[in-house]
Amino acid sequence: QKEVEQDPGPLSVPEGAIVSLNCTYSNSAFQYFMWYRQYSRKGPELLMYTYSSGNKEDGRFTAQVDKSSKYISLFIRDSQPSDSATYLCAMSARSSYKLIFGSGTRLLVRP
Amino acid sequence: GAVVSQHPSRVICKSGTSVKIECRSLDFQATTMFWYRQFPKQSLMLMATSNEGSKATYEQGVEKDKFLINHASLTLSTLTVTSAHPEDSSFYICSARPGGDQETQYFGPGTRLLVL
Repeated sequence: QKEVEQDPGPLSVPEGAIVSLNCTYSNSAFQYFMWYRQYSRKGPELLMYTYSSGNKEDGRFTAQVDKSSKYISLFIRDSQPSDSATYLCAMSARSSYKLIFGSGTRLLVRP
Repeated sequence: GAVVSQHPSRVICKSGTSVKIECRSLDFQATTMFWYRQFPKQSLMLMATSNEGSKATYEQGVEKDKFLINHASLTLSTLTVTSAHPEDSSFYICSARPGGDQETQYFGPGTRLLVL
């Protein structure tokens, strides 16, 4: 079993839809949770960073962390075609600086 | 802020030659830098972690003599692929971690290596 599980997709939605992306994890030591967006042939871009449980909102993006369920989510409101990319969740434990990545979910937002 | 650059963005080389890739944090000092490899449609695979002024820590299965890492300053790390072979062709991405309590990593744009 992988430490971090993420549905690879692809996830196809119409423009304007609310997108929900999720990851589950098995290591209860993880405390730092991140979402990255990666366009084809580019490096990942940090979207959201959350410490421990709770919600964080930034514009159209909302990140949620539920440590009791070992489940994190990224919501994208009013999705745009420019949001089409691969979304990677990543997490780390305080004792380690290494990021453990999910496999990435490919999102396609149709005009 | 938090910009990381990589150079070159793309390189083609002959089998047996060595290739150096530079990673720079442009607007912050990076106590730790990381090197990843990514195959098409797959996630990032951590190769090694480097701290300024000390030897890199390599992940299991990564040949340290083949992938030489130097972290000479708080803003520069280099990855040298020695005696490159076609199977080394890949997308190499570096990231940099600012000091302090930040656990986030900021990624460079990546370097596409093609070994003929």
